[in-house]
Amino acid sequence: QVQLQESGPGLVKPSETLSVTCTVSGDSISSYYWNWIRQPAGKGLEWIGRMYTSGSTNYNPSLKSRVTMSGDTSKNQLFLKLSSVTAADTAVYYCARAPEWSGAWFDPWGQGTLVTVSS
Amino acid sequence: DIQMTQSPSSLSASVGDRVTITCRASQSINNYLNWYQQKPGKAPKLLIYAASNLQSGVPSRFSGSGSGTDFTLTISSLQPEDFATYYCQQSYSSPHTFGQGTKLEIK
Repeated sequence: QVQLQESGPGLVKPSETLSVTCTVSGDSISSYYWNWIRQPAGKGLEWIGRMYTSGSTNYNPSLKSRVTMSGDTSKNQLFLKLSSVTAADTAVYYCARAPEWSGAWFDPWGQGTLVTVSS
Repeated sequence: DIQMTQSPSSLSASVGDRVTITCRASQSINNYLNWYQQKPGKAPKLLIYAASNLQSGVPSRFSGSGSGTDFTLTISSLQPEDFATYYCQQSYSSPHTFGQGTKLEIK
């Protein structure tokens, strides 16, 4: 059974780069498509983007200039980087698997990691 | 971007009630519509994919229908564990977008 576990710094200063790691167990990250989604406290879900380990990526235009997604197949880990963060980037960050590149759904999800942007 | 609008935003119901949540897309998304359940402090959980397909392990009291722009999630007989927030999500085009959520509370 595949499991996803996010980890992150907890606290990031404004203007710095947020980095979150998603460690996948029970399946190879080369076999599926991987998405990042975030959720500010008490608010809804925002799709950040998706990637495939071949190098294909697709980012939400609202974040595209600041987002980088990558993966390490040897460690079965996925990485999200978000640069020039502000308080508006404070959220729980989730990784989630999708069975296809297009028209797909997210299952399963990791438990999420809270990242707070504050000086 | 395709906008997803859920109604109602909140709903009070009792155990045993039949409940319907609606999701409307700002343009046709065929059947590329998924439903998730989220409980406080937990990650969302997939309930329904491709508008009407029940995810493995999800109780049969949950069902989904619709195509084009209008979709519904129905819970046939509410159970205590169903009180949560529900989100729809379109996967027709990028960026994938979610509805604002429907909070289902105990009456």
